[in-house]
Amino acid sequence: GAVVSQHPSRVICKSGTSVKIECRSLDFQATTMFWYRQFPKQSLMLMATSNEGSKATYEQGVEKDKFLINHASLTLSTLTVTSAHPEDSSFYICSARQGIETQYFGPGTRLLVL
Amino acid sequence: AQSVAQPEDQVNVAEGNPLTVKCTYSVSGNPYLFWYVQYPNRGLQFLLKYITGDNLVKGSYGFEAEFNKSQTSFHLKKPSALVSDSALYFCAVRVAYSSASKIIFGSGTRLSIRP
Repeated sequence: GAVVSQHPSRVICKSGTSVKIECRSLDFQATTMFWYRQFPKQSLMLMATSNEGSKATYEQGVEKDKFLINHASLTLSTLTVTSAHPEDSSFYICSARQGIETQYFGPGTRLLVL
Repeated sequence: AQSVAQPEDQVNVAEGNPLTVKCTYSVSGNPYLFWYVQYPNRGLQFLLKYITGDNLVKGSYGFEAEFNKSQTSFHLKKPSALVSDSALYFCAVRVAYSSASKIIFGSGTRLSIRP
């Protein structure tokens, strides 16, 4: 199946700093990528839909100025958590859509804000 | 509202026995349904999908799912469970909005297979 990578897999940062997470589709081009957030023992919550060459579409309640998304190419989307706080600590997962329907997921990035 | 529900937080099955993980959905139009599995501290792995065609869909690792339109269900099944099947399973449905679409997930069901 299609492969999606994320980098870094784990990051620890100080409160107030910004963190960038990369999501890459390794063997296919993805015009649409998605960013999810998952809290312990909970489901995935969609944060935003990232479209190559255009602005991301954010879900209700997600601050677009805090979670900056850039989809610069057909194989790369980035999520930047700006001025991170401890409550932003979570497991962030990206996915890339291949074709019309199927989404393939990255391995996730665990963010810990101290 | 369009949604997908997994009524069981946890399912416990003995190895070798058949397993079922339940999923029901509520969408307008024809549903596009998916099952994903998540192992600890990992992303999601695609298992199978239903778009159209046969109601019984076969997927990875011996799993299959049955689409039932009248009951709006898409239960995940496996004839003989393995200990290695123990993981978190998510049912998902594609919803359309404007000219785009997105996938929303159920709350997840933790499957535990005892030796």
